[in-house]
Amino acid sequence: EVQLLESGGGLVQPGGSLRLSCVASGFTFSSYAMSWVRQAPEKGLEWVSAISGSGGSTYYTDSVKGRFTISRDNSKNTLYLQMNSLRADDTAFYYCAKARPTTTFCLQDWGQGTLVTVSS
Amino acid sequence: QSVLTQPPSVSGAPGQRVTISCTGSGSNIGAGYDVNWYQQLPGTAPKLLIYGNINRPSGVPDRFSGSESGTSASLAITGLQAEDEADYHCQSYDRSLSGSVFGGGTKLTVL
Repeated sequence: EVQLLESGGGLVQPGGSLRLSCVASGFTFSSYAMSWVRQAPEKGLEWVSAISGSGGSTYYTDSVKGRFTISRDNSKNTLYLQMNSLRADDTAFYYCAKARPTTTFCLQDWGQGTLVTVSS
Repeated sequence: QSVLTQPPSVSGAPGQRVTISCTGSGSNIGAGYDVNWYQQLPGTAPKLLIYGNINRPSGVPDRFSGSESGTSASLAITGLQAEDEADYHCQSYDRSLSGSVFGGGTKLTVL
């Protein structure tokens, strides 16, 4: 059974930093692209970033380019999202998601999410 | 403002059929990129419902179906059940943005 467990969320001041982690189990982690998707309270889903299975290719939505960095450690079955220069509009639940085989953005399995609140 | 446009809400009585539209443009759906649909029950994470425009993952009832034409896609739900009450999100790839995009989501109410 695929399990994705996010952690690292919390309250941070504007301009601050957080690193989210997502520990994966139940599948061969290095074989699958992974994404981060966020959802502001009472809003729709917003794709944030994706990374290939090897980690060699990364993708970002425009609003986080230059501020967020996605990475993975395949030896630890862990996905990361380093978030710098955080703004109030980054406040959201952040979901880790595993892509379907041979795809990058079709998200087959999701974690339960971790809440990031950016506020002074 | 989402790149993909969905109606904010739809509703139907038990047993009825409803459709949810997802309208894009020539840089996403119209360019031939696949549309995926996700179901999000209240207070839970999204779940993949339809992938590649028309395909259902294992375990998804055949009451759910997807279609695509031109710059739009649709999700149809037949034989509505109370348990179908949820938010539904469409997703595709946009070549102008070089990334994935979601619709704004549609809340389905079963009357």
